Amino acid sequence: DGGITQSPKYLFRKEGQNVTLSCEQNLNHDAMYWYRQDPGQGLRLIYYSQIVNDFQKGDIAEGYSVSREKKESFPLTVTSAQKNPTAFYLCASSILAGGGGTDTQYFGPGTRLTVL
Amino acid sequence: EDQVTQSPEALRLQEGESSSLNCSYTVSGLRGLFWYRQDPGKGPEFLFTLYSAGEEKEKERLKATLTKKESFLHITAPKPEDSATYLCAVITGGFKTIFGAGTRLFVKA
Repeated sequence: DGGITQSPKYLFRKEGQNVTLSCEQNLNHDAMYWYRQDPGQGLRLIYYSQIVNDFQKGDIAEGYSVSREKKESFPLTVTSAQKNPTAFYLCASSILAGGGGTDTQYFGPGTRLTVL
Repeated sequence: EDQVTQSPEALRLQEGESSSLNCSYTVSGLRGLFWYRQDPGKGPEFLFTLYSAGEEKEKERLKATLTKKESFLHITAPKPEDSATYLCAVITGGFKTIFGAGTRLFVKA
């Protein structure tokens, strides 16, 4: 099955710990994204990557880090510097249209992170 | 400032009672508008992409339309299984993606 997988589904973190959320896709998509979803708010972009070994900050990158060593994988680390990390984290991917077009982002099932 | 606003925040319908959800936007250029469905605790599921004013797309009981200022998601004769949160997202001229907060739809049998 082609798709996007995220693991784990639920994650619990103690204050002061770093945790890493996994995102893998086998859709051969170029671009990958990380969003955060809080109740009553729209999805907010944390980081995105359009090509291996390159990524850009989104609107709320502080306290997060990413890597893109393989096309299929885009892990997100939530560091201890993120003051309010409890949220639902969503990974997405898309192809990149040539000529300035716009491509649909497809989402994984999400990881719910709770800080204890 | 680029902004996407969805209304209403929540909508309760009886089974078979048709209605519309609204997504209004003020952005610097529109490259595309997307509609997603999201069930509780799950990732958003893609429904439609609209690119230009006047465009319409349909899928089963859903129909999405687009004007220069807003998009509507029309739900015809909804069923309880249509209950979900519906998200609207816009990609601006600067390739920035902005999501609305969503409309929670409840359909009662």
